Amino acid sequence: GAGVSQSPRYKVAKRGQDVALRCDPISGHVSLFWYQQALGQGPEFLTYFQNEAQLDKSGLPSDRFFAERPEGSVSTLKIQRTQQEDSAVYLCASSLVPRGFGYTFGSGTRLTVV
Amino acid sequence: GIQVEQSPPDLILQEGANSTLRCNFSDSVNNLQWFHQNPWGQLINLFYIPSGTKQNGRLSATTVATERYSLLYISSSQTTDSGVYFCAVLADTDKLIFGTGTRLQVFP
Repeated sequence: GAGVSQSPRYKVAKRGQDVALRCDPISGHVSLFWYQQALGQGPEFLTYFQNEAQLDKSGLPSDRFFAERPEGSVSTLKIQRTQQEDSAVYLCASSLVPRGFGYTFGSGTRLTVV
Repeated sequence: GIQVEQSPPDLILQEGANSTLRCNFSDSVNNLQWFHQNPWGQLINLFYIPSGTKQNGRLSATTVATERYSLLYISSSQTTDSGVYFCAVLADTDKLIFGTGTRLQVFP
């Protein structure tokens, strides 16, 4: 597609519920990133894929967070047993090449845990 | 890890005014980008500027890598310039590290 597509746009989850957030990167983009943006803060790195390989997951806040990109295109970020502190906007970005200059971000998924 | 700080944190302007936003980083970088996050949350890449100066319309940016700072200039500001401006850097990894942001409000 022309841009990075994320779904759903909004998600309300009850505490303890599992959620799955989807990212469709720009076709052919090798690198894919997930970021978490809390209200009033800058985006913070969660994890990074180069094709299907997850090269860096140092930003995942706990083992309740899991990301995958099995075929090197679409990626899913899964959060198990959601907590209120997980409420944030989750942003996905893709880049044609690693360490490139053209990072394109999706519109994000706003997750609210009640 | 690398620290990225931006100033000022908040900026209120009247339409037509000029402004300068600053980004300081604590270590050498080989990739610096400026983003605008509009009121709907969309992050738009403005500049890729690891060094030197670039201009795009009313916006320009300068990075002095040896002194570890970058500046974003907005001239003749418009209400559509409102939002949050982030600088982000790549150091020795593949992940962008974002700064603290400058929230800009432009009033008619």
